[in-house]
Amino acid sequence: GQQVMQIPQYQHVQEGEDFTTYCNSSTTLSNIQWYKQRPGGHPVFLIQLVKSGEVKKQKRLTFQFGEAKKNSSLHITATQTTDVGTYFCAGRGSARQLTFGSGTQLTVLP
Amino acid sequence: GAGVSQSPSNKVTEKGKDVELRCDPISGHTALYWYRQSLGQGLEFLIYFQGNSAPDKSGLPSDRFSAERTGGSVSTLTIQRTQQEDSAVYLCASSLVRDSYGYTFGSGTRLTIV
Repeated sequence: GQQVMQIPQYQHVQEGEDFTTYCNSSTTLSNIQWYKQRPGGHPVFLIQLVKSGEVKKQKRLTFQFGEAKKNSSLHITATQTTDVGTYFCAGRGSARQLTFGSGTQLTVLP
Repeated sequence: GAGVSQSPSNKVTEKGKDVELRCDPISGHTALYWYRQSLGQGLEFLIYFQGNSAPDKSGLPSDRFSAERTGGSVSTLTIQRTQQEDSAVYLCASSLVRDSYGYTFGSGTRLTIV
């Protein structure tokens, strides 16, 4: 079945440093979504990427979808303490439901 | 309602008992999903409902797990003869049927088997 791998599992950064998490799928995806889960909370939808090579920005967050539509990345510029949480990618392949990556837990040190 | 509502928010039950978890999706969302999240882990797909179509049960870990969705709205996930490894947060999500929409998750039910 479809597998979505995400690295790193954990990342500690100093406030103001940049952060990147990477997502790789075992199969070609029709689209990929990103979610953020704050500590003790539930996942919240951030964005969806559909096109090969697509790049989208939300303030300090930059999302990319690979040319082969099998990988994606989320980059945060100049992290803030409000960025703390776990970031999940979720890919949609042949199945209608999303397959979630294992997440990257981001800690931002003040 | 304004969001996805799940109940109870916490459930502690003895091993071997049956439990029922409820999900009330956003009105108008035809797709409903159940996922399970163990402590510090990712989201494990359990089951997917889409309108009146037969549900996709491919993620259910054993025949002790079942789910139904009545009238295309409220869904109930039932776990029979619970075991300690069933302890997790059970998350329900709903979405519009089209692929361009993200999931809206409920706050989850934290299930603890003692």
